[in-house]
Amino acid sequence: GQNIDQPTEMTATEGAIVQINCTYQTSGFNGLFWYQQHAGEAPTFLSYNVLDGLEEKGRFSSFLSRSKGYSYLLLKELQMKDSASYLCAVKNSNYQLIWGAGTKLIIKP
Amino acid sequence: EADIYQTPRYLVIGTGKKITLECSQTMGHDKMYWYQQDPGMELHLIHYSYGVNSTEKGDLSSESTVSRIRTEHFPLTLESARPSHTSQYLCASSPGQGESQPQHFGDGTRLSIL
Repeated sequence: GQNIDQPTEMTATEGAIVQINCTYQTSGFNGLFWYQQHAGEAPTFLSYNVLDGLEEKGRFSSFLSRSKGYSYLLLKELQMKDSASYLCAVKNSNYQLIWGAGTKLIIKP
Repeated sequence: EADIYQTPRYLVIGTGKKITLECSQTMGHDKMYWYQQDPGMELHLIHYSYGVNSTEKGDLSSESTVSRIRTEHFPLTLESARPSHTSQYLCASSPGQGESQPQHFGDGTRLSIL
């Protein structure tokens, strides 16, 4: 089967750095997406990785290792508004997105 | 900024009713999707379309149907609602070209079947 694994919940402190991990087992690989979803709202796109390495976008960075089936999302200088769920999704060989259940990130002052 | 709209935002309705959830996008995207999401759970694809008059079922059997008569419109219909249909329904769209293009989501419809 195909599955995406992420921690269910993480807690971090305002101003700190947090790393959210994602491991995947899918039938083929055509890219990995990270989305942010605030409670009761729609998911919004954060980043896309298809080649190994780090993609940096402001306070957010995303890393991919295809050989390990592993990605992480790194959030720096955490702000209270970063409290949300972070969803990892992998596009498989059929170009369908397989979604993880998301990691709920709680930011404390 | 993505322009994709879903109505209604919330719906509470009795068992056996026919329901249509509306989704429209103004970006001219060829691809559109319907997902079901329960709290704390992953998104499950229930239907998708790669263009007008093209619809496919996703990996979740949902007892619903869709139509794609116009590029911008992708409604989802439940012929006879049941309590097991209670969930959040998310509509998304993406451009036809380029696998790196992300999906843009509407705000969702939270459906409760009594």
